[in-house]
Amino acid sequence: ETGVTQTPRHLVMGMTNKKSLKCEQHLGHNAMYWYKQSAKKPLELMFVYSLEERVENNSVPSRFSPECPNSSHLFLHLHTLQPEDSALYLCASSQDLGPSGVFGNRETQYFGPGTRLLVL
Amino acid sequence: KQEVTQIPAALSVPEGENLVLNCSFTDSAIYNLQWFRQDPGKGLTSLLLIQSSQREQTSGRLNASLDKSSGRSTLYIAASQPGDSATYLCAVKAYGGSQGNLIFGKGTKLSVKP
Repeated sequence: ETGVTQTPRHLVMGMTNKKSLKCEQHLGHNAMYWYKQSAKKPLELMFVYSLEERVENNSVPSRFSPECPNSSHLFLHLHTLQPEDSALYLCASSQDLGPSGVFGNRETQYFGPGTRLLVL
Repeated sequence: KQEVTQIPAALSVPEGENLVLNCSFTDSAIYNLQWFRQDPGKGLTSLLLIQSSQREQTSGRLNASLDKSSGRSTLYIAASQPGDSATYLCAVKAYGGSQGNLIFGKGTKLSVKP
């Protein structure tokens, strides 16, 4: 149990649908992340939130819209997606963004199980 | 632009064998390097984190080394077990990169046969 949960675990949606992915962390962390994992590609960072403020948006299309209402919850709102958006979407959290120096591991990221998304 | 490469892409070994997974990165200006394990269809589990000033970290049967100047890290697994079967990912946190931005390799898929 990593302390990071994601719902739903699986999602199938049409290109005109609107859906949301939810992530919740029970670790008291201050930073949360959304990643996309596509087949045969490295894991890609999408968004970073620190203390509920977005600090990074890695050139992600506007059809993906994140929301962080508090430090424990992170959402990814989806609308008018494309088939190439089908992937495993992973949420992660860390104590801080870091870096935390030689002896600190406050930036170690803990991942949820992911949401497997299929866009038809 | 920082790039992380993991070789081999897949590895199959008999149970009990000691093995080494390799990770290389193109820019030595990193804060730290982290090894993760990912089981099929699941999220990542952090195994070891090595800060840039450290040369190795150990946890149980796992030992990770870091040679920042040459841009290399290895993950050594002793006495491998079928339960070690998973994909192992290497990631670096680079200077000048976005806050919290880890750059990942594509992973090495390990299969340990009973």
